[in-house]
Amino acid sequence: EAQVTQNPRYLITVTGKKLTVTCSQNMNHEYMSWYRQDPGLGLRQIYYSMNVEVTDKGDVPEGYKVSRKEKRNFPLILESPSPNQTSLYFCASRRDINYGYTFGSGTRLTVV
Amino acid sequence: GENVEQHPSTLSVQEGDSAVIKCTYSDSASNYFPWYKQELGKRPQLIIDIRSNVGEKKDQRIAVTLNKTAKHFSLHITETQPEDSAVYFCAASRATGRRALTFGSGTRLQVQP
Repeated sequence: EAQVTQNPRYLITVTGKKLTVTCSQNMNHEYMSWYRQDPGLGLRQIYYSMNVEVTDKGDVPEGYKVSRKEKRNFPLILESPSPNQTSLYFCASRRDINYGYTFGSGTRLTVV
Repeated sequence: GENVEQHPSTLSVQEGDSAVIKCTYSDSASNYFPWYKQELGKRPQLIIDIRSNVGEKKDQRIAVTLNKTAKHFSLHITETQPEDSAVYFCAASRATGRRALTFGSGTRLQVQP
């Protein structure tokens, strides 16, 4: 089944404790992206990647890191999480620039 | 960068009526415009998209129109049903340069039975 898989689904952590949210797609898609969703603010892009080793900042990249060492994986790294990073995070992938993203199931992160 | 504005933020219609959601974008180089539906607690799902070389696209009860000159595009849902109740997002991206997909802030559609 074609899908985007992200883990974990739920995560509660403390301020300053580094964490990684994993994302994997099995569709051989070129593009991958991370979004965060907050009430009233819609979906805001954190980072996106156009291919292996090619990444670019989205609209809200501060406090996040990503890497794209393999085509299928695109982990999101929070080196020192803060409470304002409490949010619902979605990983997504798309075939190329002329197609829409397929989203993962989401990761609800709470930073206390 | 691209800025996408979406209106209205909430929309309530009676079952069987039509619903229209409108978006405007700022980057004249944007050429791909998808629409997503997000049901409560679920992930966003692509429902229809349009590229800049066409002005209208239909898929059963949903249609999207694009006016590149005015830089706006709209989602039309006809014969609405309760299962159409969800949050709808528009988005825009370009094929060259910065290729982020920027979303509007969403429209909560409620279809009253």
